[in-house]
Amino acid sequence: EAGVVQSPRYKIIEKKQPVAFWCNPISGHNTLYWYRQNLGQGPELLIRYENEEAVDDSQLPKDRFSAERLKGVDSTLKIQPAELGDSAVYLCASSLGRGQTYTEAFFGQGTRLTVV
Amino acid sequence: AQSVTQLGSHVSVSEGALVLLRCNYSSSVPPYLFWYVQYPNQGLQLLLKYTTGATLVKGINGFEAEFKKSETSFHLTKPSAHMSDAAEYFCAVSNSGGYQKVTFGTGTKLQVIP
Repeated sequence: EAGVVQSPRYKIIEKKQPVAFWCNPISGHNTLYWYRQNLGQGPELLIRYENEEAVDDSQLPKDRFSAERLKGVDSTLKIQPAELGDSAVYLCASSLGRGQTYTEAFFGQGTRLTVV
Repeated sequence: AQSVTQLGSHVSVSEGALVLLRCNYSSSVPPYLFWYVQYPNQGLQLLLKYTTGATLVKGINGFEAEFKKSETSFHLTKPSAHMSDAAEYFCAVSNSGGYQKVTFGTGTKLQVIP
């Protein structure tokens, strides 16, 4: 079975340009997460979806970041315009999501964004 | 509020030696605790987790961790390091009830010396 698939793997853009990342979660996983991992740091949650609903976007910088998960499957994370400080690895993860029961999150390989 | 502190951003061990990666947590409610491993240019993979029950948890690749409530610790160990264990390891904590938001530590990079 395929794991969490992210694309592209690498992206280099100039500052002030837009960029988008795509994530295809594991089939049947209701919960989808986007994390940002800065160099030398642990992942930090940007947004969490339960099906198509964003249930936690408190850490998403809404002035320039947006996300969507149409039909509760694939998701796209967008930055517009990008700033130098947005350079990081953007990780997508998914889990079955069963209310209060813990379900393991599976991570994709990430998209490494470099803003120059 | 919850947080995780990983002591030592870099740890070096000789091949065959004991691996000990330290993690202390802070949580206002009973925690769930995790260790993840990240190989270069890869996503995170769950090594092991503690939710309830036995405090000594065994994971993949010969790793184990012990939940010590009195010390608020969840250190990761492996009796004998292999070259393939070289990677970055992240400790993480979440609440045990309701929405389980996971908070990660800053990571410990393990180097295995031949």
